[in-house]
Formats: sequence, C-alpha cells, structure tokens
Amino acid sequence: ETGVTQTPRHLVMGMTNKKSLKCEQHLGHNAMYWYKQSAKKPLELMFVYNFKEQTENNSVPSRFSPECPNSSHLFLHLHTLQPEDSALYLCASSQEIADRGRDEQYFGPGTRLTVT
Amino acid sequence: DAKTTQPNSMESNEEEPVHLPCNHSTISGTDYIHWYRQLPSQGPEYVIHGLTSNVNNRMASLAIAEDRKSSTLILHRATLRDAAVYYCILRGGGSNYKLTFGKGTLLTVNP
Repeated sequence: ETGVTQTPRHLVMGMTNKKSLKCEQHLGHNAMYWYKQSAKKPLELMFVYNFKEQTENNSVPSRFSPECPNSSHLFLHLHTLQPEDSALYLCASSQEIADRGRDEQYFGPGTRLTVT
Repeated sequence: DAKTTQPNSMESNEEEPVHLPCNHSTISGTDYIHWYRQLPSQGPEYVIHGLTSNVNNRMASLAIAEDRKSSTLILHRATLRDAAVYYCILRGGGSNYKLTFGKGTLLTVNP
C-alpha cells in the first residue's frame, strides 16, 4: 500500500478526445508530481506542485494541463494528444519540496495511456 | 546536475547478497545519495538514502565511500521479489532537489 492512488490504471484515447488522469495521496503530503515514462526512456519530470502552487513546468506541451485543487489531489487533463504521448504517467508525493534533497517521494502505480 | 553511473544489468541468486554499485565522482558536499527501485508494471519505490555515513533500514543497506564518489546498495538476501530496476540518484539543495532518473541497473534474481 503506497498511499498514492491513480485512476484509471489504463486508458485508450483518440487524438481528438479529452480525458483526465486523477491522483490522490493519503499521506498528508504537501508536494505532488507528475512524471512520464516512455518505453525505453528514463522517467521524466513533468510538473511539480508545492502547497497547491505549481513550482515546476518542465517544458511540457500545452496539450497536458495539470490541476491541483488541494494538497491531496492532482489531475492531468489531456486534449488533442499525439501517438508519441503514449506512455506510463506516474504521480508522486512528498512531504514538501525540501531544499536539501532529503525527502522521499512516494509513487502511485501509474496510468498506462495509449493514444490511437 | 551531478550524474551517476550504474551497470546496465546484474544477476544474482536467490537468498544470496547483492551489491549494486554506483559511481558519482562529481557529487557535491550537500548532495544526498538516494536509491529507488521499480518493479515490473509498478511505480518507483523509495529504498534508502544517505549523506556520508552508512545507512541501514528494513529493505537494504547503503555503503558510502569515504570520499563519497561511489556508493553501494546492499540487499542482504535477495528474493525473487527484489527483481527490479534500481536507480541511484543524487539530490541536493536549490534546483537539484528534483529526482532525475537515469537508466538504472536491471537486477535479475535467479531461483
């Protein structure tokens, strides 16, 4: 039990669809993250939220739109995606963005996204 | 960003110890050494982290060289459930707080 849940676990969508990924953490953390893991590539950080404020956008295309309504929930809204956006999307949380690099991040199981 | 170098893959037998090496010759004085692992079809999982001294927890031990330019993750008795990709990551202050994943080491555990 990681304490970080993600829904749906699998998603197939067309390029013209709009869908949303949901992440919820039950750990009382204040920082949440979206990562992308493409086949045979390292995990890439996409967005970071600290106390509901976005603190990092790692040059992510605007067809990915994050939302963090509170410290426990994080969404990734998807629209007009491309086939190359097919990947495993992982959510993570940590106590907060510690500037000393000591905190641990807890990951959810991910959403496997396929864009057709 | 300070980088790490790990072997692409390692193999071990069940119930034997496993030593996973990591080189980080450009580590700065404030960088923590973190280890995560990713089991098949799962998100990454925190394993252990340390700064200068060796560290132990219920999952593993972390041995850090005196000059901090290398470290070793030790699994004392490998099980089949330890088969995963193991990532060695440096994290420090300022913009280096982020987890930057490399390719990691794929550990295979033979029964």
